[in-house]
Amino acid sequence: TQLLEQSPQFLSIQEGENLTVYCNSSSVFSSLQWYRQEPGEGPVLLVTVVTGGEVKKLKRLTFQFGDARKDSSLHITAAQTGDTGLYLCAGVLAGGSYIPTFGRGTSLIVHP
Amino acid sequence: KAGVTQTPRYLIKTRGQQVTLSCSPISGHRSVSWYQQTPGQGLQFLFEYFSETQRNKGNFPGRFSGRQFSNSRSEMNVSTLELGDSALYLCASSLAGMNTEAFFGQGTRLTVV
Repeated sequence: TQLLEQSPQFLSIQEGENLTVYCNSSSVFSSLQWYRQEPGEGPVLLVTVVTGGEVKKLKRLTFQFGDARKDSSLHITAAQTGDTGLYLCAGVLAGGSYIPTFGRGTSLIVHP
Repeated sequence: KAGVTQTPRYLIKTRGQQVTLSCSPISGHRSVSWYQQTPGQGLQFLFEYFSETQRNKGNFPGRFSGRQFSNSRSEMNVSTLELGDSALYLCASSLAGMNTEAFFGQGTRLTVV
């Protein structure tokens, strides 16, 4: 059983569309991170959220941490082909070590 | 500022052999973590080294080992390779440990045949 469940697993959309990716768990996290990984590359950190209910924006990307710190979402507005990649969420369990647990990722393809 | 460098980028090995992967962290970073990434399991934590000491360890068999040198460069070794060890092995460096931002290398793609 995966500690962090990401959905959807795959997403194929047209440029200009909006999308939301989810990261859910039954466990509480002290922090949660979102990464984007492009083919042939390692993951690159997009954002870290630490406070329940927190919302962070990075240009067209909006990240939200659930009030109970058990889930998170990533919303992309007006997707571009450059947004194509694997989106990974990673959480650090509250009261645990700093070792992050990763979800399996959402593979996003944005078509021109 | 140079990023995290992993060598080699690609490797093909035969079952039963052993392999050593190398990771050079960002200059000044003292923590190096290793991860295994597969389509089925995603990214799984192997171990973390900080100032030449293993500080954290994931749930992998003893065939997986590592070390860190005084210049913070790290190596990971897998002995008696199995087909299931085929994966992308990623290392990440951070300034002071896993509670600080991690920067990943491009990974080493290991194929066991």
